[in-house]
Amino acid sequence: QVQLVESGGGVVQPGRSLRLSCVVSGFTFSSFDMHWVRQAPGKGLEWVALIWHDGSKKDFADSVKGRFSISRDNSKNTVFLQMNSLRPEDTAVYYCARVVRLSSSSWAEYWGQGTLVTVSS
Amino acid sequence: DIQMTQSPSSLSASVGDRVTITCRASQSISRSSNWYQQKPGKAPKLLIYATSNLQTGVPSRFSGSGDGTDFTLTITSLQPEDFATYYCQQSYSTPLTFGGGTKVEI
Repeated sequence: QVQLVESGGGVVQPGRSLRLSCVVSGFTFSSFDMHWVRQAPGKGLEWVALIWHDGSKKDFADSVKGRFSISRDNSKNTVFLQMNSLRPEDTAVYYCARVVRLSSSSWAEYWGQGTLVTVSS
Repeated sequence: DIQMTQSPSSLSASVGDRVTITCRASQSISRSSNWYQQKPGKAPKLLIYATSNLQTGVPSRFSGSGDGTDFTLTITSLQPEDFATYYCQQSYSTPLTFGGGTKVEI
């Protein structure tokens, strides 16, 4: 069955870095785009970043552009979110999601359980 | 950026009720809208994709409609397990954006 498991979250001081990982199984990883979505405590969902199945396209929310990067290792079924210059407002549960892209539409079919990132001094 | 305005932000309903949640995009997104359900402490779950397509395994009491800027999620005959928060999302252009959510309460 399809599984996505995030890791790497934790408590980090403002200005520091953290790298999240999402290991997947149960499907051909290299065939699917992957997205990161976050949710601040008690708040709604916020899309963070995407990477196409072959890594040829990456895109980011304005709130993280220039600070976060996304990558994938298709040989290890893993997608990464490198978060630099972290701010308190980056505190959230971070979800990775497997995304289907068709024409001008895309949708997140499967989600991981999330990993909590807390940015605090 | 495309804004997704979802309404209502919360509603109270009873088992068996028909519930309608709407989402308005700040510009036309064709039919590139999705709906997700989220329960407390859990990851979101895809219900409807590309406006009106029911995700595999989702009960048929859920349906979606719309085009352009106005989209609707309808739940016919609300069930106890449907009490949750629902989010719309546009996938027409990046940055992808979500509506603010609708909490469906008893």
